[in-house]
Amino acid sequence: GAGVSQSPSNKVTEKGKDVELRCDPISGHTALYWYRQSLGQGLEFLIYFQGNSAPDKSGLPSDRFSAERTGGSVSTLTIQRTQQEDSAVYLCASSLRGVQETQYFGPGTRLLVL
Amino acid sequence: SQQGEEDPQALSIQEGENATMNCSYKTSINNLQWYRQNSGRGLVHLILIRSNEREKHSGRLRVTLDTSKKSSSLLITASRAADTASYFCATDPLRNTPLVFGKGTRLSVIA
Repeated sequence: GAGVSQSPSNKVTEKGKDVELRCDPISGHTALYWYRQSLGQGLEFLIYFQGNSAPDKSGLPSDRFSAERTGGSVSTLTIQRTQQEDSAVYLCASSLRGVQETQYFGPGTRLLVL
Repeated sequence: SQQGEEDPQALSIQEGENATMNCSYKTSINNLQWYRQNSGRGLVHLILIRSNEREKHSGRLRVTLDTSKKSSSLLITASRAADTASYFCATDPLRNTPLVFGKGTRLSVIA
């Protein structure tokens, strides 16, 4: 079946603009994760959705970052008033039930804020 | 702070040699996973080892886990140029928080 997909693949924006990044998880996966990866660095956890539970937002770096997951499937990560330091690859992953399982990653969205 | 830390940060070997990467972590875990990343894009899951396991094999991969030392190693035998990638360990702390990834080891296999 289809894997995790993300769109757009690349996004160039100007400082101060808002951006929306989309993630389509694997069908039937109840857990969805967003990570950020700066150049040459490891993955920084941003937010985690599990079923109908309140999301774990503990990794969001500021109130300019928000995410939602509609209908337990597609998720959108929104960054408002983008800053140059937001430039990174944003990775989405899903797993069947929860954090103790294998995560399946999308190809990522490479964001460049000029 | 990082839960998992890989060592070395970078490793360069000749094709056919074995590559060993290490991961250390700080708190008790349910399991430890290794992932591979090509060209800064999505990660691919390689292997999961549970806290009650000591060693696990998958093809040319061998993973060990020493919970007393809070460390794990990933061995790739008979390396190939296609193994060139970054390798990350990820831990699942017992408090059931999301996986915490280390900064990775960048492996270069020279043909």
